[in-house]
Amino acid sequence: DAGVIQSPRHEVTEMGQEVTLRCKPISGHDYLFWYRQTMMRGLELLIYFNNNVPIDDSGMPEDRFSAKMPNASFSTLKIQPSEPRDSAVYFCASSLADRSMEQFFGPGTRLTVL
Amino acid sequence: SQELEQSPQSLIVQEGKNLTINCTSSKTLYGLYWYKQKYGEGLIFLMMLQKGGEEKSHEKITAKLDEKKQQSSLHITASQPSHAGIYLCGADLPDSNYQLIWGAGTKLIIKP
Repeated sequence: DAGVIQSPRHEVTEMGQEVTLRCKPISGHDYLFWYRQTMMRGLELLIYFNNNVPIDDSGMPEDRFSAKMPNASFSTLKIQPSEPRDSAVYFCASSLADRSMEQFFGPGTRLTVL
Repeated sequence: SQELEQSPQSLIVQEGKNLTINCTSSKTLYGLYWYKQKYGEGLIFLMMLQKGGEEKSHEKITAKLDEKKQQSSLHITASQPSHAGIYLCGADLPDSNYQLIWGAGTKLIIKP
């Protein structure tokens, strides 16, 4: 398996534009997590899914952020409209529904909002 | 997260020296996970500890979980430039509902 795949790896956009980040989890994994990482706040959980169903979205900063998982092999995180304070590295991770809870991380998307 | 304290925040170590990073929980841990991150890359799983008093090693990195299962330490022996990066601990806590609670990370720099 290729591991968790994220695209794009880098995104530079202007304030007000819509941004869509994509994630393909490891095949067979039941959980999918979206994280944001910044120097100031560290690694923050935004939302996670179990079997394509959102379980906890309390980490989503505000209504400008939305996430979907239409099927077991694809998820998106959308920011509309984007703001400079959204600049961060966004990670997607997936895991099995076993007691190990080991999360496998994608390489991340570095988002810069000008 | 206030539930999980990681220290130190950053560390500069001479190559060849030993170092320790700590992760302390305010609650009993169901499990503690150590990850490493290199700049611009994702997190790589290092080790998982679940039992009180457990100790695991991988090459020159050893992680321990105390008997009370509230503190873990990551120890690197004879540090090398390849050890440089950010180390994060993630905790499986009671009522965490299948998500990991993360420490703030420790930035490790190895001086040649």
